[in-house]
Amino acid sequence: DQQVKQNSPSLSVQEGRISILNCDYTNSMFDYFLWYKKYPAEGPTFLISISSIKDKNEDGRFTVFLNKSAKHLSLHIVPSQPGDSAVYFCAASPNTGNQFYFGTGTSLTVIP
Amino acid sequence: EAGVVQSPRYKIIEKKQPVAFWCNPISGHNTLYWYLQNLGQGPELLIRYENEEAVDDSQLPKDRFSAERLKGVDSTLKIQPAELGDSAVYLCASSSSGTAGRAFFGQGTRLTVV
Repeated sequence: DQQVKQNSPSLSVQEGRISILNCDYTNSMFDYFLWYKKYPAEGPTFLISISSIKDKNEDGRFTVFLNKSAKHLSLHIVPSQPGDSAVYFCAASPNTGNQFYFGTGTSLTVIP
Repeated sequence: EAGVVQSPRYKIIEKKQPVAFWCNPISGHNTLYWYLQNLGQGPELLIRYENEEAVDDSQLPKDRFSAERLKGVDSTLKIQPAELGDSAVYLCASSSSGTAGRAFFGQGTRLTVV
């Protein structure tokens, strides 16, 4: 039973435009959410996180939005750059992080 | 600071053979995870250690998989015997109370069972 879902397997965006990656979850006990970025042949690397007490967290070009009532979060990348091309995983935890549940990933391609 | 180190990076074995993966977490990280990642899927937890204690191994197929984390530092994950369906990337990650819930991943071991 997939508790974290990323329904878009892939996304293509022009350089300089906004990339929006979406993630839905089913477990209302999740209260900490993370986004990881993964390049081929490498392990996932942490990108940005958000606690359920917030609805937005921003770090440079990356912003994560959390809608608890809809059990939905999204990652916005503005402006998108070719180096952002990677697979992005959403992850959720029922506490500040000893058990992570991952989505299936969205492959982002930023076209120069 | 050195990251999470895994070896080997790649392994090809015949079915029914044993295989072992090794992980050295980031120094000071008391939590260690082994994840399985199938093609096109997200990482799935196999086992989580808090120091040397396995606190969550509910997803570990115990008939063929085993893991240990002696002295609460390095860890090994073993499969015996391997099956064709075990072909995947095995990821090790570590974290601590000081990493604000972030897990740091190694590069993974890509296992191919033929």
